[in-house]
Amino acid sequence: GQQLNQSPQSMFIQEGEDVSMNCTSSSIFNTWLWYKQDPGEGPVLLIALYKAGELTSNGRLTAQFGITRKDSFLNISASIPSDVGIYFCAGPTGANSKLTFGKGITLSVRP
Amino acid sequence: GAGVSQSPRYKVAKRGQDVALRCDPISGHVSLFWYQQALGQGPEFLTYFQNEAQLDKSGLPSDRFFAERPEGSVSTLKIQRTQQEDSAVYLCASSPGATVYGYTFGSGTRLTVV
Repeated sequence: GQQLNQSPQSMFIQEGEDVSMNCTSSSIFNTWLWYKQDPGEGPVLLIALYKAGELTSNGRLTAQFGITRKDSFLNISASIPSDVGIYFCAGPTGANSKLTFGKGITLSVRP
Repeated sequence: GAGVSQSPRYKVAKRGQDVALRCDPISGHVSLFWYQQALGQGPEFLTYFQNEAQLDKSGLPSDRFFAERPEGSVSTLKIQRTQQEDSAVYLCASSPGATVYGYTFGSGTRLTVV
C-alpha cells in the first residue's frame, strides 16, 4: 500500500531556531496534511495542502505541496517550547475514506 | 459535545480478556474512523463508518476485532481474547462529511495487555 516516509525520527533544536521537516512517498497523493500530536492527545491538524506546488502558512508554520505530488515539507520558524511534540504527515487513500500517516518526527526544543 | 470523547482513557487487560472501547463523536458528524497507534508509530486505519453503515473494515487486523455504530452516533470497538500485540493507543476521529476532510481526533484509549 501507499507509505509516507519521514526522517529523521527525532530532531533537537534550540529555542528560536527554524526547523524544516519533509515527507516523501513513492505514490502520488492528491492532498497532504500535517498533524501535531502532544503526549496523551490525538493528532491535531496544522495545515492542509490541496494543490501541487501550493505553499500555505499558518502563523509560524509554512508547508508546501511538492510539484511531483510525492513530497511535502513543513517549516516551523522561531521555535518556542510549545512546539515540542510529534509531527506527522498524512494523505488520504481509498476513495478519501481513510488517512495514511507517516511514522512521525519527534521535535524537542531546548530553552 | 465540543469534541470527540473516548473512554476509558486507559485500560489494562489480562491476555485473553475481552475489552470494549467507546467513542462519542462530535454531534452531527456523519463519518467516524478508528485508528490504532503502536508505540513510536503513526496511526493506522482500522475501520470507517458513514452514519451506521460500516463502509470499510479493511484495517481490522483479525476477526477478534469488531466495531459497531448502531444508531449512527456512538461507536464501540471490541477486541476479543486480547493478545499482547494488541497493546496500543486506539484513536477515534469524526468528520462532518463523508471524507477525511475536517477530521477531529479524540484523545485515545491506551490499551495495555499483560
